[in-house]
Amino acid sequence: LAKTTQPISMDSYEGQEVNITCSHNNIATNDYITWYQQFPSQGPRFIIQGYKTKVTNEVASLFIPADRKSSTLSLPRVSLSDTAVYYCLVRDSNYQLIWGAGTKLIIKP
Amino acid sequence: EPEVTQTPSHQVTQMGQEVILRCVPISNHLYFYWYRQILGQKVEFLVSFYNNEISEKSEIFDDQFSVERPDGSNFTLKIRSTKLEDSAMYFCATGGYLPTDTQYFGPGTRLTVL
Repeated sequence: LAKTTQPISMDSYEGQEVNITCSHNNIATNDYITWYQQFPSQGPRFIIQGYKTKVTNEVASLFIPADRKSSTLSLPRVSLSDTAVYYCLVRDSNYQLIWGAGTKLIIKP
Repeated sequence: EPEVTQTPSHQVTQMGQEVILRCVPISNHLYFYWYRQILGQKVEFLVSFYNNEISEKSEIFDDQFSVERPDGSNFTLKIRSTKLEDSAMYFCATGGYLPTDTQYFGPGTRLTVL
């Protein structure tokens, strides 16, 4: 079965780049790795997804090594409003959805 | 921008009672999901639904849970006999045409079982 591991929490400062890594072994070979953001009392919100190498959109980048055993969400120049919990989402080899435990990111002024 | 809506926003019930949580998916989405999040804990997958049947479910989704799309628009989660440990936020999410499509989450229903 797949298992995901993320840091429980991280701190950073406004204007910094933040990288959050999720380790995930035994994931489905043909599915995306997805990251979500969640603010308190709200549902998770899609940030980015990728299959391999690097994906970039207007809010983040996602780096996935060739072995796909991890993925790194990169948030450039964070602001206070990026304070949230960040989840990685994968499917295991049985195609079951597996959510990470979430990383609580706190951005300080 | 289309969004997923859920009702009620907060439901309080007595242990042993049945509750039905409702979700209105984004129109033309084909995949529907229910998740649970106990206060302060991570998001937990319950069930996915496609083409009027369950496509996958987790170990949490036991016989006390059921889902249906009774009228082609609402997507419901029924908990037959609630327990104290069912107290949580329940999120509905909908996706597009493929199981890998992005999931859009509703605002959630806070269920409190007394």
